[in-house]
Amino acid sequence: SQTIHQWPATLVQPVGSPLSLECTVEGTSNPNLYWYRQAAGRGLQLLFYSVGIGQISSEVPQNLSASRPQDRQFILSSKKLLLSDSGFYLCAWSADAYNEQFFGPGTRLTVL
Amino acid sequence: KNEVEQSPQNLTAQEGEFITINCSYSVGISALHWLQQHPGGGIVSLFMLSSGKKKHGRLIATINIQEKHSSLHITASHPRDSAVYICAVRAQGGSEKLVFGKGTKLTVNP
Repeated sequence: SQTIHQWPATLVQPVGSPLSLECTVEGTSNPNLYWYRQAAGRGLQLLFYSVGIGQISSEVPQNLSASRPQDRQFILSSKKLLLSDSGFYLCAWSADAYNEQFFGPGTRLTVL
Repeated sequence: KNEVEQSPQNLTAQEGEFITINCSYSVGISALHWLQQHPGGGIVSLFMLSSGKKKHGRLIATINIQEKHSSLHITASHPRDSAVYICAVRAQGGSEKLVFGKGTKLTVNP
């Protein structure tokens, strides 16, 4: 069966520090991968998606970036965090664009 | 105006009650998703539908494409159903992007 992992589960970082969140998927090949952010009191927002290794599409311009160095690994990064980057970050995978998405447990990021 | 609107924003029910959560959208879609987010934050996909009705246990999801409206029903509600229920749509044209509603927070009291 397929599983999706995210780490860390929680993170507290100072403004201006770098960020690296990791997501890995097991039990499937060539999944579509997604990074979402859920800010307090707001709906989920798609940040990035990837349909293959090295292929990243950005939905919202911001100081975050994503990379997919391996088929089942998706990384969300920032060189300098802003206060507005605080939120709950969710990774998800799907077999393709037409199938349901399966979500990871999420990372709660607080930028102070 | 958001592309996906959910109502109500908050819903409190007594155990055993029949629950309805509504979702309206403004764009042509290829699919609509219902998701459940538990207090810890984890999200579970409940349904993906593009027409008609789907049923899983005590949960029923319906969609009316012409009216751009979907409902999620919970029969014989239970305190463990307490969660935020999120509607999301995928626009027509093969878009990868899901557009999410803000969610409906359901509390079922024993």
